[in-house]
Amino acid sequence: NAGVTQTPKFRILKIGQSMTLQCAQDMNHNYMYWYRQDPGMGLKLIYYSVGAGITDKGEVPNGYNVSRSTTEDFPLRLELAAPSQTSVYFCASSPGQTVQETQYFGPGTRLLVL
Amino acid sequence: DQQVKQNSPSLSVQEGRISILNCDYTNSMFDYFLWYKKYPAEGPTFLISISSIKDKNEDGRFTVFLNKSAKHLSLHIVPSQPGDSAVYFCAATYNFNKFYFGSGTKLNVKP
Repeated sequence: NAGVTQTPKFRILKIGQSMTLQCAQDMNHNYMYWYRQDPGMGLKLIYYSVGAGITDKGEVPNGYNVSRSTTEDFPLRLELAAPSQTSVYFCASSPGQTVQETQYFGPGTRLLVL
Repeated sequence: DQQVKQNSPSLSVQEGRISILNCDYTNSMFDYFLWYKKYPAEGPTFLISISSIKDKNEDGRFTVFLNKSAKHLSLHIVPSQPGDSAVYFCAATYNFNKFYFGSGTKLNVKP
């Protein structure tokens, strides 16, 4: 199992450009999450999904969009990149919603908006 | 509004001694707490968790203590090893849909 994979590893964007951060998991997990981590800060939830076709906002959804057409994939879309979106983005997945289950994280995508 | 806080950005401990990492939270609805460990250029990995119905959970060298009245939890690592050097995040949730993370504590275990 590859676990949770994220592409690209690093990207530089110009202000106003758009891009999609890719996330895939091969563990057949229902739950998937997108977080961002700013320097010296904790992870903040952007969006999450409890299954294919179902998504919901987290703490900091503004400027982002998501879709979940399959169980495996959960892409994060930035439409109009802004310097405030410079961050490290982590995707995570989880089997479900019980006390025994936790999140498995991908290696992250470092995004720089100039 | 930071609902989960880790007030110590860094901690340095000698190998073999105890490491104590602290975490405070403000939302009394949180009923499940987790600790994650993160190495540079990697995603966080799950370490240990505790439900609000317990006040202690152990897993090998790692123990998490929960004080609900003080809205405080701590992670004890005994004995500390150089391989434990990493950033540790505490996290909390009340519905397993949304998780709230602290800002992390960077632990350095000196040989």
